[in-house]
Amino acid sequence: DTEVTQTPKHLVMGMTNKKSLKCEQHMGHRAMYWYKQKAKKPPELMFVYSYEKLSINESVPSRFSPECPNSSLLNLHLHALQPEDSALYLCASSQGPGNYEQYFGPGTRLTVT
Amino acid sequence: QKEVEQDPGPLSVPEGAIVSLNCTYSNSAFQYFMWYRQYSRKGPELLMYTYSSGNKEDGRFTAQVDKSSKYISLFIRDSQPSDSATYLCATLSGGYNKLIFGAGTRLAVHP
Repeated sequence: DTEVTQTPKHLVMGMTNKKSLKCEQHMGHRAMYWYKQKAKKPPELMFVYSYEKLSINESVPSRFSPECPNSSLLNLHLHALQPEDSALYLCASSQGPGNYEQYFGPGTRLTVT
Repeated sequence: QKEVEQDPGPLSVPEGAIVSLNCTYSNSAFQYFMWYRQYSRKGPELLMYTYSSGNKEDGRFTAQVDKSSKYISLFIRDSQPSDSATYLCATLSGGYNKLIFGAGTRLAVHP
């Protein structure tokens, strides 16, 4: 099973809402990633978790809060977002940190109104 | 200067054509070079990777790295409409923890 699942597929939220994105993998991977992708742009790295510890935060605003409850799960908590945060949020995993082969989920398409 | 440069296209070719997709990179320390394919409304999937210089072939796809000119290429032979997607070149940086993507080239193969 080489699947990374993400829920929900679509999310519309207001600027005062709090919501969470969820990502799950059952490949035994020990590195997990959050990316943000705007239309017609490449994915941009937001966070890296390595062995369930946050190892990279690409200067992401605090209104995005990642969480890795266990080795299979990754959450992204959203609070007080701006309309410019509307994008496709992709989760990925790899066997370990520094592995070139990252498996991506289908993404959550987020719209902030 | 961006670390990885890629022409975003779009590139439109007839079915059966040979497609050449290219990227350049700036840091000679980069060692791993990947090509990801992303269909519309899907996440990227790893198509091929090469380590250091040289060629790698997988079916209709050939990946090529020329470290002397810092040039990465992906060739698609006998292109099919199902190859229509965005192709992203990528390399590993930052202690190998970070994937750095090119802009992505949108390819359309028409019957």
